[in-house]
Amino acid sequence: KAGVTQTPRYLIKTRGQQVTLSCSPISGHRSVSWYQQTPGQGLQFLFEYFSETQRNKGNFPGRFSGRQFSNSRSEMNVSTLELGDSALYLCASSIARGQEFFGPGTRLTVL
Amino acid sequence: QKEVEQNSGPLSVPEGAIASLNCTYSDRVSQSFFWYRQYSGKSPELIMSIYSNGDKEDGRFTAQLNKASQYVSLLIRDSQPSDSATYLCAVREEEIQGAQKLVFGQGTRLTINP
Repeated sequence: KAGVTQTPRYLIKTRGQQVTLSCSPISGHRSVSWYQQTPGQGLQFLFEYFSETQRNKGNFPGRFSGRQFSNSRSEMNVSTLELGDSALYLCASSIARGQEFFGPGTRLTVL
Repeated sequence: QKEVEQNSGPLSVPEGAIASLNCTYSDRVSQSFFWYRQYSGKSPELIMSIYSNGDKEDGRFTAQLNKASQYVSLLIRDSQPSDSATYLCAVREEEIQGAQKLVFGQGTRLTINP
């Protein structure tokens, strides 16, 4: 069974731009969560989607948003990028309340 | 803010010895606990999950959970250089309506010395 896939793997943007990241979960997994990983803050929860609905949201500003499609694929969007948004963005999928499996991540650099 | 605490290390262990990694958590109602391994430049990989008090063994790995003390640990027996990585402890927050969220510790960097 194929794992979680994320695209793109690397991204370089400038301040003020916006970015969209994509995640395809493991087949059969309906829950998709997004996390941000930085050296200073570690791994922090962004949001979780299940059956196209956002079920949970972390403490991030409204510039961070996401959505999930009927095939469980998910996207997250960051608008008005700031230097501090440079991070590894990780997507994880799971069956309902199951173990979460991470994708390879998207490394975003904001210049 | 619910917290998960780990010693950031680095923890240095000779090859063949037992590596012991520890984690404490603040949320008394948490029921699900996970250990992830993360190699430098890679994403976290799930290596153990534990839900009940006591020990759970999987190959060279043993997870231990003590809910009364709010403590979870990971033992790696016969440590190998390939075990050198950062180990992340994660606790699932129990949310209403089935929502889930993992809270991670800062990770312990483990180095196995040949």
